[in-house]
Amino acid sequence: SQQGEEDPQALSIQEGENATMNCSYKTSINNLQWYRQNSGRGLVHLILIRSNEREKHSGRLRVTLDTSKKSSSLLITASRAADTASYFCATDPLGAQKLVFGQGTRLTINP
Amino acid sequence: DADVTQTPRNRITKTGKRIMLECSQTKGHDRMYWYRQDPGLGLRLIYYSFDVKDINKGEISDGYSVSRQAQAKFSLSLESAIPNQTALYFCATSDSSGRLEQYFGPGTRLTVT
Repeated sequence: SQQGEEDPQALSIQEGENATMNCSYKTSINNLQWYRQNSGRGLVHLILIRSNEREKHSGRLRVTLDTSKKSSSLLITASRAADTASYFCATDPLGAQKLVFGQGTRLTINP
Repeated sequence: DADVTQTPRNRITKTGKRIMLECSQTKGHDRMYWYRQDPGLGLRLIYYSFDVKDINKGEISDGYSVSRQAQAKFSLSLESAIPNQTALYFCATSDSSGRLEQYFGPGTRLTVT
């Protein structure tokens, strides 16, 4: 069963706009991670946020985590065509010692 | 050179055939994973290994087996391939720090006819 559910499933915006993707999960976690996948390629780790953190930044990425609501969001600011990809959240549930991936959000940046 | 490599990159095989997918890593990580990806279903864990002697089933292990030949090598076998095993297969590694940040190979696209 999938731990994470991502919303929206697909998102299309204009270059320069901000993109926001959301992830909800079901159980308590150690951390939550976001990955990017370019079409048909391996996933690439973007950012990790621990369960005791509320917000984290990395370049144009901003991740928030609300453990009371069991949800996270990924914001990509000033989007570029190269940001076109699928984005996955992955949770590290307490005691599981393995990641559980969501179904992903497919992001398209239009020039 | 890539840190995590997978062979073959593409494979077409027939129903009932045995096939092995191989994964090698140069990251020195203890932990290795096999996932399959189907459209709209994200990644699902098939098997994972914390070291050469520690292999665990994931959520969809039926029809698959694995072998951890060395710290750097982790192979996935389909003993008798069936069409619904057509998918994109990924190998990944992580260190033992507990963060579980994973490094993925480029994937193997498998088609079973």
